[in-house]
Amino acid sequence: KNQVEQSPQSLIILEGKNCTLQCNYTVSPFSNLRWYKQDTGRGPVSLTIMTFSENTKSNGRYTATLDADTKQSSLHITASQLSDSASYICVVNDSGTYKYIFGTGTRLKVLA
Amino acid sequence: GAVVSQHPSWVICKSGTSVKIECRSLDFQATTMFWYRQFPKQSLMLMATSNEGSKATYEQGVEKDKFLINHASLTLSTLTVTSAHPEDSSFYICSATGLNLNNEQFFGPGTRLTVL
Repeated sequence: KNQVEQSPQSLIILEGKNCTLQCNYTVSPFSNLRWYKQDTGRGPVSLTIMTFSENTKSNGRYTATLDADTKQSSLHITASQLSDSASYICVVNDSGTYKYIFGTGTRLKVLA
Repeated sequence: GAVVSQHPSWVICKSGTSVKIECRSLDFQATTMFWYRQFPKQSLMLMATSNEGSKATYEQGVEKDKFLINHASLTLSTLTVTSAHPEDSSFYICSATGLNLNNEQFFGPGTRLTVL
């Protein structure tokens, strides 16, 4: 069964600190892996997208990594800001069905 | 970037009534639109996929007679929750993709439905 699991479920950090979110998946074959940020009560907004041949992708303070061999991805946030408080969702695009397989998300809270 | 809007952003209705939610692609032609449902602290769950001019394909466990989807134009899809009940209260999110977008889905801002 295609699954995407994320850890931790929730995370609290102080403003200015770094953090890393994890994503493990079993989706195969897959065409790409995406990280989204979802503010409470809003739709997801894309942060990064990586194909299976890419190892890392950055978008400002967000850096995503991908290890297609171990089927793991991470999202690293540097110098966190209060506005980073949101849910971060790992999504794997099933290349067989083109459907998005969503992870359960990590709820990040950044405190002043 | 491709922009998707939803209307209304929130709605409160009485049990037994029907509610229509609109999803529009503002700057591209959406050949395919997706409808998701998200319960509190859970991730998005795909309800159905609709291609313009065709009947929607529903995911297992989603009642097609309860959640009516219409995708009559390349910029508009509607989801009608018929005879809504409190258990239908949820956050409904649409997404859309089109030609030359590499199957990337662009998400709307969501609609919060509360059924009393």
